[in-house]
Amino acid sequence: NAGVTQTPKFRVLKTGQSMTLLCAQDMNHEYMYWYRQDPGMGLRLIHYSVGEGTTAKGEVPDGYNVSRLKKQNFLLGLESAAPSQTSVYFCASSRSTVQPQHFGDGTRLSIL
Amino acid sequence: KNQVEQSPQSLIILEGKNCTLQCNYTVSPFSNLRWYKQDTGRGPVSLTIMTFSENTKSNGRYTATLDADTKQSSLHITASQLSDSASYICVVSRMDSSYKLIFGSGTRLLVRP
Repeated sequence: NAGVTQTPKFRVLKTGQSMTLLCAQDMNHEYMYWYRQDPGMGLRLIHYSVGEGTTAKGEVPDGYNVSRLKKQNFLLGLESAAPSQTSVYFCASSRSTVQPQHFGDGTRLSIL
Repeated sequence: KNQVEQSPQSLIILEGKNCTLQCNYTVSPFSNLRWYKQDTGRGPVSLTIMTFSENTKSNGRYTATLDADTKQSSLHITASQLSDSASYICVVSRMDSSYKLIFGSGTRLLVRP
């Protein structure tokens, strides 16, 4: 089992460019999450999904969009990248809200 | 305000020694408290989850304690190994918004030979 796989692992963008981060899980989990991790701060929830076809806003959703067309995939989009979105992005999935979240190894995104 | 604070920010210990990491929270209403280990360049990995009624939970050499009255938790690492070098993150879940976990900023542990 691969668990949670994130692609790409690294990316450098210019301000204003767009991109999509892909998260795939093979554990048949209903719940999926996107977080960002910045130096000296705890992980912050961007968006989450409670099942295929559903999405909801987290703590810091501005500037990001998401889609969950298939149960195993959760996509995070940046429509017009800004330097403030330079961060490490983590995807996670869980069977329920009281079960552990399983994390991918992150996408390191730099926006110049 | 719902917050999770961890101490110390960083810690250096010698291989074989024990250590204890602290977590204080002001999250309410409380649902559960989790400890994660995050190796450099990797995603967090779950160590334990404790609910209100659980005082202690172990996972190998890792033992977590919870005092829901004082809103404090600790993670004790016994007989440390070089592979224990990582960040340890305390996470609290609220009863009324269980999807949205509140993460501490972590304690960075370095185990030296």
